[in-house]
Amino acid sequence: EAGVAQSPRYKIIEKRQSVAFWCNPISGHATLYWYQQILGQGPKLLIQFQNNGVVDDSQLPKDRFSAERLKGVDSTLKIQPAKLEDSAVYLCASSLGVRQGAYEQYFGPGTRLTVT
Amino acid sequence: AQTVTQSQPEMSVQEAETVTLSCTYDTSESDYYLFWYKQPPSRQMILVIRQEAYKQQNATENRFSVNFQKAAKSFSLKISDSQLGDAAMYFCAYRAISGYALNFGKGTSLLVTP
Repeated sequence: EAGVAQSPRYKIIEKRQSVAFWCNPISGHATLYWYQQILGQGPKLLIQFQNNGVVDDSQLPKDRFSAERLKGVDSTLKIQPAKLEDSAVYLCASSLGVRQGAYEQYFGPGTRLTVT
Repeated sequence: AQTVTQSQPEMSVQEAETVTLSCTYDTSESDYYLFWYKQPPSRQMILVIRQEAYKQQNATENRFSVNFQKAAKSFSLKISDSQLGDAAMYFCAYRAISGYALNFGKGTSLLVTP
């Protein structure tokens, strides 16, 4: 079974530029999550999708971050314009659902973003 | 909001020995899920073990076991017969029954020496 795919693996941009990350979840997984992991910290949820609808985006900085999940499969996370403090690893995860027995989250390899 | 605290930034263990990683959490909920994740240098988070709070029995997965103390809100991970491949960051995480997101601690870096 293929895992969660993410690209690119690394990205270096200058502040005020824009960047986009892509995630392809495990086939059949209805729930998709984007986490931000700043160096030295645990991951923090940015946004969660259930199929193609947003369930929780309370911690997403909406003035610069946006995300979409077209057709309930792939997802993209965009930052525009980027700030220095956005330097982090962006992790995508997916799960079958959110109920007991289906909530285990599988993570992708992440994208390391460096903003200079 | 639930908080997860890992008080050990770094731990070291010799190969074949046993090590325990600590985790405490704060919640007003009576039922929830707890997890330990491993993150090697490749950055991919791997689920090590999970515990449902309503289960009194401590979870075990091969060389990994937990000591779940619900009243003390403590959830420690014991790794027995440590192997070089166990070297990684270990994160403790909490998930509410009615919630979706995993709330992670800051992690413990585990070094395994030959």
